[in-house]
Amino acid sequence: GQQVMQIPQYQHVQEGEDFTTYCNSSTTLSNIQWYKQRPGGHPVFLIQLVKSGEVKKQKRLTFQFGEAKKNSSLHITATQTTDVGTYFCAGDDYKLSFGAGTTVTVRA
Amino acid sequence: EAQVTQNPRYLITVTGKKLTVTCSQNMNHEYMSWYRQDPGLGLRQIYYSMNVEVTDKGDVPEGYKVSRKEKRNFPLILESPSPNQTSLYFCASSPSLNTGELFFGEGSRLTVL
Repeated sequence: GQQVMQIPQYQHVQEGEDFTTYCNSSTTLSNIQWYKQRPGGHPVFLIQLVKSGEVKKQKRLTFQFGEAKKNSSLHITATQTTDVGTYFCAGDDYKLSFGAGTTVTVRA
Repeated sequence: EAQVTQNPRYLITVTGKKLTVTCSQNMNHEYMSWYRQDPGLGLRQIYYSMNVEVTDKGDVPEGYKVSRKEKRNFPLILESPSPNQTSLYFCASSPSLNTGELFFGEGSRLTVL
């Protein structure tokens, strides 16, 4: 079945630095979604990518969907303490499969 | 307010004692799903439902049952809980599977002794 792999599992970032988290699927996806879960909270939808090669931005967050629709990335610039949390990608094949997440901590 | 409501939020129980975690959404969503979250494993889908009376297994259905008799409710049933079902459980809903954005409940932390 579909598997979605996410790397890295942990990301320790100095405040102000950039980082990227990656998501790879074993199958071609119809779309991919990204979620953020703050510590102690529940996942909250960030964005959905549908088209091959699609790039979307939300302020300091840039989301990209690969040309083959089998991978995606989330790039955060100028990391802030508010970026702390776990970021999940979820691939939509016939059902949403979530990656294991990237847990981000920020050093002030 | 549009929301997904889970109960109980916290529960400590003992092995073998049947329990039900309720989930209700007020957004008239067709699609509902249950996930469990364990450290390092992300969100793993237990069961999902495309609509009333339509349910199917996710990736980790063993030890769980669900029902979807009404559109708004999707309870998760543990007939005979075991310690390996100690986890954080999330219910989620969406207008339909392919219309994006899952709305998650606040989560139910279950401990089975």
